[in-house]
Amino acid sequence: DSGVTQTPKHLITATGQRVTLRCSPRSGDLSVYWYQQSLDQGLQFLIQYYNGEERAKGNILERFSAQQFPDLHSELNLSSLELGDSALYFCASSVVPGTYDEQYFGPGTRLTVT
Amino acid sequence: AQTVTQSQPEMSVQEAETVTLSCTYDTSESDYYLFWYKQPPSRQMILVIRQEAYKQQNATENRFSVNFQKAAKSFSLKISDSQLGDAAMYFCAYRSPQGAQKLVFGQGTRLTINP
Repeated sequence: DSGVTQTPKHLITATGQRVTLRCSPRSGDLSVYWYQQSLDQGLQFLIQYYNGEERAKGNILERFSAQQFPDLHSELNLSSLELGDSALYFCASSVVPGTYDEQYFGPGTRLTVT
Repeated sequence: AQTVTQSQPEMSVQEAETVTLSCTYDTSESDYYLFWYKQPPSRQMILVIRQEAYKQQNATENRFSVNFQKAAKSFSLKISDSQLGDAAMYFCAYRSPQGAQKLVFGQGTRLTINP
């Protein structure tokens, strides 16, 4: 158990819908990262937050957005869902974006768009 | 942009034998970090081993060791005395110490352990 929690574990929804994935980082970790794992794209970085502020963006679609709240949990919002958005979404956390901090991964949320 | 390449989509090894998984990367940075992650059927991403580029000594964690060749931009993982529990997808990953601290992953290698 990494200490990072993600809810829900599984999500099945229809095209065009909107969903919210939630992540709670390890106690004391200030930075949250979101990754997407799909058969087509492999594992890719979406976005990073540090202490409530967006720090870096990767290959995140405009239909996707995220935020980190004052209690440091983070939410990834996916809207106008398409079949190709079906993937495993990971959240990872680290203490601070320093030189050697390890990123601890949550168990992931499996999203299926039908 | 940095890229990571794992040229072996699948590997298999007999239980108790040794196997080496290959990884190459491309970067113009001189300082960076390299990782091997294991993803078992549970899908959990588990850090296996990590290497700082400025360290010449190869990292070792119990049965897992790396062969880090900085000039060749190669970072292979050796698993000794393979066990059934080692069966998983293995991902090589790169991280820059600058800017976005994102992990850049390779495509993965599926490792099968034959009893």
